[in-house]
Amino acid sequence: GDSVTQMEGPVTLSEEAFLTINCTYTATGYPSLFWYVQYPGEGLQLLLKATKADDKGSNKGFEATYRKETTSFHLEKGSVQVSDSAVYFCGGGAGNMLTFGGGTRLMVKP
Amino acid sequence: DSGVTQTPKHLITATGQRVTLRCSPRSGDLSVYWYQQSLDQGLQFLIQYYNGEERAKGNILERFSAQQFPDLHSELNLSSLELGDSALYFCASSVASAGVKTGELFFGEGSRLTVL
Repeated sequence: GDSVTQMEGPVTLSEEAFLTINCTYTATGYPSLFWYVQYPGEGLQLLLKATKADDKGSNKGFEATYRKETTSFHLEKGSVQVSDSAVYFCGGGAGNMLTFGGGTRLMVKP
Repeated sequence: DSGVTQTPKHLITATGQRVTLRCSPRSGDLSVYWYQQSLDQGLQFLIQYYNGEERAKGNILERFSAQQFPDLHSELNLSSLELGDSALYFCASSVASAGVKTGELFFGEGSRLTVL
């Protein structure tokens, strides 16, 4: 079946550092790809998405590009802030099922 | 605030018991999804309902069942509880049946179940 693999955390960075969280998706077709963010004590929120190859999703300074050849959707941000500390989930979906990776906890220190 | 309401927020019960988790989707959303988040399994899709009908099934145990009522709220029933069922259970909603294609799933804050 479909699966999502993302890098394990925790990832600890200093403020203003560059962030990359890797994500790859395995599926029979070409799913839509997403990044969700979960802040402490809250549910998941859609951060950004891409519905086809070469699409770039962006929001709040975060970016991810849908690479068709590798079905990858790596999350990047040029300069992280303390407020970005959260758990980030990569997800892929087609039809009615959205499959998530295991989540990557990001901790940003001042 | 996502507009998705889940109750109860916390629940502590004993092994062998049965509990019901409730979810009210965003106004206008017809699809409801249930996910289980545990430390060792990550976020697992359980089941989806659309306008009262089951649409997709994931890794849901036979001891678990769900339904969506005419007013579109949904309930997840967990029975014969085991220690391993301790987890955070999320409900999400979307407008369409194939909500995942657009990625517009709106999640509630979750119900944390602790089985002792």
